[in-house]
Amino acid sequence: AQRVTQPEKLLSVFKGAPVELKCNYSYSGSPELFWYVQYSRQRLQLLLRHISRESIKGFTADLNKGETSFHLKKPFAQEEDSAMYYCALNSNYQLIWGAGTKLIIKP
Amino acid sequence: DVKVTQSSRYLVKRTGEKVFLECVQDMDHENMFWYRQDPGLGLRLIYFSYDVKMKEKGDIPEGYSVSREKKERFSLILESASTNQTSMYLCASSLEGLAYEQYFGPGTRLTVT
Repeated sequence: AQRVTQPEKLLSVFKGAPVELKCNYSYSGSPELFWYVQYSRQRLQLLLRHISRESIKGFTADLNKGETSFHLKKPFAQEEDSAMYYCALNSNYQLIWGAGTKLIIKP
Repeated sequence: DVKVTQSSRYLVKRTGEKVFLECVQDMDHENMFWYRQDPGLGLRLIYFSYDVKMKEKGDIPEGYSVSREKKERFSLILESASTNQTSMYLCASSLEGLAYEQYFGPGTRLTVT
């Protein structure tokens, strides 16, 4: 079954510390994975996609097919990174969503 | 800049009422989606539409129906609202073939009492 798992509902780190938001997937094919973010009182929006291998707002995510993971990382957290983060998998022209991780950056 | 608007930010309805949630997008997107967002459950797809008058069931269609009479508008209907339909409802749209790049509306928080 196709599934996206985000094992942490809540992640709290201090400003300046490294951040890693975990995402694991189950998919029988070549996966396309994405991270979406929802800041407080803002709309859910696309943060980055694995295929573009880009860094957005200092975040990167590498697809690891061996571990079936797509973890989101940032070396130095900033307070404005506090938000809800969702990992999503493209499947048959729909997105399969993880449950989300709430990231809190402590000053 | 893509704009997806939803008719209400907050809505309070009584059990058994028929509820209409409207979504409008202004970017000529072919695909439109309705999700509900619940803590700990993430986003769950209710229905989606890839063209006018076309609709497909998502993961949790029970108790809901949809209507897409015009390309820019996608309506979610709760035929007889129940308390377990209290939730945040998100509408999204995307270009044909780019279903992964979805643009979201601000959401409607529906409370059914």
